[in-house]
Amino acid sequence: GIQVEQSPPDLILQEGANSTLRCNFSDSVNNLQWFHQNPWGQLINLFYIPSGTKQNGRLSATTVATERYSLLYISSSQTTDSGVYFCAVDRGGSYIPTFGRGTSLIVHP
Amino acid sequence: KAGVTQTPRYLIKTRGQQVTLSCSPISGHRSVSWYQQTPGQGLQFLFEYFSETQRNKGNFPGRFSGRQFSNSRSEMNVSTLELGDSALYLCASSSRGDETQYFGPGTRLLVL
Repeated sequence: GIQVEQSPPDLILQEGANSTLRCNFSDSVNNLQWFHQNPWGQLINLFYIPSGTKQNGRLSATTVATERYSLLYISSSQTTDSGVYFCAVDRGGSYIPTFGRGTSLIVHP
Repeated sequence: KAGVTQTPRYLIKTRGQQVTLSCSPISGHRSVSWYQQTPGQGLQFLFEYFSETQRNKGNFPGRFSGRQFSNSRSEMNVSTLELGDSALYLCASSSRGDETQYFGPGTRLLVL
């Protein structure tokens, strides 16, 4: 099956810093999503981004499907950004997503 | 609109028992997906239901099953529980299943 690798596995930032999270995948995909799971386990869909660039406030994401990677940018990080960020891909045809192991982010005040 | 709700929130069972978890989607959403999250395997897709039909299924044994009712509420059942079934079970709903999903708070299952 398709392999999804996220880097870095762990990230510690001071409030106000910027960061870039990466998601590599091993084969062509029909869809890619980014999720944030807060420290209490609540999962939120951040972006649905099979290709191109999207922005939502301080967060933006870019997927380069031909090179099989996606980047999630977090600018001016806040303590509420702490948690785990997952990317998930699916091959299309059927919705059967494969998740990466996630990037654990801690933002210190 | 009310969000996705899952019941129960916490559950303790013993090996060999069975368990049923419930998920109520956002009003108007017809797609419900289920996921299992464990420290060892991470997040894994279980199955997706749309208009009472299982539309997609992940790589889980037949002990894991689900169904969806006419009001879009969904249940998942795990029979003959094993220790490895201890996990956070998440459900998510969306209008059609192929776009933004909204997740419930999850059910934490502990199998002893």
